[in-house]
Amino acid sequence: DADVTQTPRNRITKTGKRIMLECSQTKGHDRMYWYRQDPGLGLQLIYYSFDVKDINKGEISDGYSVSRQAQAKFSLSLESAIPNQTALYFCATSEGTEGSGELFFGEGSRLTVL
Amino acid sequence: GEDVEQSLFLSVREGDSSVINCTYTDSSSTYLYWYKQEPGAGLQLLTYIFSNMDMKQDQRLTVLLNKKDKHLSLRIADTQTGDSAIYFCAEEDNFNKFYFGSGTKLNVKP
Repeated sequence: DADVTQTPRNRITKTGKRIMLECSQTKGHDRMYWYRQDPGLGLQLIYYSFDVKDINKGEISDGYSVSRQAQAKFSLSLESAIPNQTALYFCATSEGTEGSGELFFGEGSRLTVL
Repeated sequence: GEDVEQSLFLSVREGDSSVINCTYTDSSSTYLYWYKQEPGAGLQLLTYIFSNMDMKQDQRLTVLLNKKDKHLSLRIADTQTGDSAIYFCAEEDNFNKFYFGSGTKLNVKP
């Protein structure tokens, strides 16, 4: 089983709909992240959380919100989806200790907004 | 945010060496990373280098870091078709935030 699980893996929706992408992890990591990947743009950070009570905006948080329901769960919401939010979304975790802060990624959620 | 830049494509023949280059802007980066993304999958850590090192070698992989020029490179020796993937350079700042380049798509021709 994957250590970082994202659901759904694929979703097609219409403009204006509310969408939630969910992420759960079994690694016991405190730190969780949501990234967006667009071709030729690499990964852009949307939101991140360093523990259950901590939520921080990333580079491109407009149009998105998050909820850290538990140490293991971090969900991303699009309140009113628009076509330019069509992208591949990745959840990631890290241990956050001093030293190499390797990120562990889920397999991605492909979202298409029509 | 910080700026991390990479070329978008690299094509090599099987058996040749591949060199993927990256430049970054944050001189206070603590660690620099190379991640690999295979089709349909998330990113996986390939290797990393601490900012006070110049070079790190790990089997077929060699990472070179030039702090003065803020330049990082990944050399893959004896490139195989299985190395075809997108390679991302990333830097980690003092606040444990990661900044990724656009990714270099490596195509290995048989």
